[in-house]
Amino acid sequence: DAKTTQPNSMESNEEEPVHLPCNHSTISGTDYIHWYRQLPSQGPEYVIHGLTSNVNNRMASLAIAEDRKSSTLILHRATLRDAAVYYCILRGFYNQGGKLIFGQGTELSVKP
Amino acid sequence: GAGVSQSPSNKVTEKGKDVELRCDPISGHTALYWYRQSLGQGLEFLIYFQGNSAPDKSGLPSDRFSAERTGGSVSTLTIQRTQQEDSAVYLCASSLAPGGRGTDTQYFGPGTRLTVL
Repeated sequence: DAKTTQPNSMESNEEEPVHLPCNHSTISGTDYIHWYRQLPSQGPEYVIHGLTSNVNNRMASLAIAEDRKSSTLILHRATLRDAAVYYCILRGFYNQGGKLIFGQGTELSVKP
Repeated sequence: GAGVSQSPSNKVTEKGKDVELRCDPISGHTALYWYRQSLGQGLEFLIYFQGNSAPDKSGLPSDRFSAERTGGSVSTLTIQRTQQEDSAVYLCASSLAPGGRGTDTQYFGPGTRLTVL
C-alpha cells in the first residue's frame, strides 16, 4: 500500500468545522482511502472510506481531490469527543493480507 | 450487537514469564487481526487470520510470539519469556469481508495493556 503524509497535530474550536488533510501522491488506481480514529485509551474506530467520489456519513465527510493525490476528512462541527488521533490509510483492492498500515496520524485537539 | 472483546484488560507480569491474551471477535467475522501499540509508537500489525487459510505471521517480532485461532472464532496471542520491550497495548480487530478487499472495515477491541516488569 502507498504511503500517506499527515500533519502531526491540529487544533480546533468546539462547534467549528475541522479539515484534516492527507497527502498520498503515490496512490494507485485501485487504492481505497480509509480514515480511522483513535480516541484516548481506546482501540481505533472506522470513520469513513472512499475511492474517487466524495463520501458522507453520519460521522464525517471525505473530500477526494480529482487527481486522488490528496484527500481531506471533514468534521462539520467538532465536539470535545472528537479529540483523537486520526489516521489516513490507503488500502489496495488486493492489499497485503488485509492488514492496516498505520502512520503517525494527526492528533486533533478540540478547545471548548 | 456485541463488539470485539479482549481479556484481560490489564496484565502485569515479570520478565521471563509467559502470557496469554485473548480476543473474542464479532460473531460471523471471518478475518481476525492482532496489532500492538507501544508507548509513543504507532500501531503495528502482528498477525492476521482469514478463515481456514494459513495465517499471515509476517508482523510477529520474534519467535517468542505466537497466536492461534480456534474454531474460526476466539484467538489467543501468546508471548513466551516476556521482555520489557514487549510492554505495549495489544489490540485485536475483526472484519466481515475477506481481507483481500480494499473496502472491508475493521472493528477493534479495547486492547490489553501489558506491562512487563
